[in-house]
Amino acid sequence: GENVEQHPSTLSVQEGDSAVIKCTYSDSASNYFPWYKQELGKGPQLIIDIRSNVGEKKDQRIAVTLNKTAKHFSLHITETQPEDSAVYFCAARNNYGQNFVFGPGTRLSVLP
Amino acid sequence: NAGVTQTPKFQVLKTGQSMTLQCAQDMNHNSMYWYRQDPGMGLRLIYYSASEGTTDKGEVPNGYNVSRLNKREFSLRLESAAPSQTSVYFCASNWDRGGGQPQHFGDGTRLSIL
Repeated sequence: GENVEQHPSTLSVQEGDSAVIKCTYSDSASNYFPWYKQELGKGPQLIIDIRSNVGEKKDQRIAVTLNKTAKHFSLHITETQPEDSAVYFCAARNNYGQNFVFGPGTRLSVLP
Repeated sequence: NAGVTQTPKFQVLKTGQSMTLQCAQDMNHNSMYWYRQDPGMGLRLIYYSASEGTTDKGEVPNGYNVSRLNKREFSLRLESAAPSQTSVYFCASNWDRGGGQPQHFGDGTRLSIL
């Protein structure tokens, strides 16, 4: 079955700097990769997603890149702000009756 | 539009007690899911319901049962709670289990088993 690894587990950056979180997956059939942000006491909220027919997707300060050959995808946050501090989860799934498999999460702290 | 609503938000149980966690969504989604979240382990799927009237086991189903009451509601039951079931439980839903459809999550139920 699918296995998703996520690094780093914790990340601290200065406000205004960029943050990058990387995930790797094992199942070459996976074709949909969402990223979720979870704030303290809340459920995960979708922030961006990418499908396997696209290499990069941007939404304002957030971007996701996908390398199908290497089987990894990354979340890029530019011009970080204190409100970006949260736990971020990546996930992967395919069309062949599989459920989402989540990475273990990255705790991002943006220091003012 | 409330999205996914979970009740209760917090609960403390004694070992051996039973309880039901409730989940309801108002987005007319077909598929619903129950996850547990433990430190450092991400989200693990307990049970899911691909459509009304169907339920299936996920990665960690032991000690749990589910009921898809109707299209809106999906409940999770602990028949005899154990300390290992102390966790945060999340319900999620999406249009269709197949393909690239993101899940929408509730805010969780924090459950402690003493």
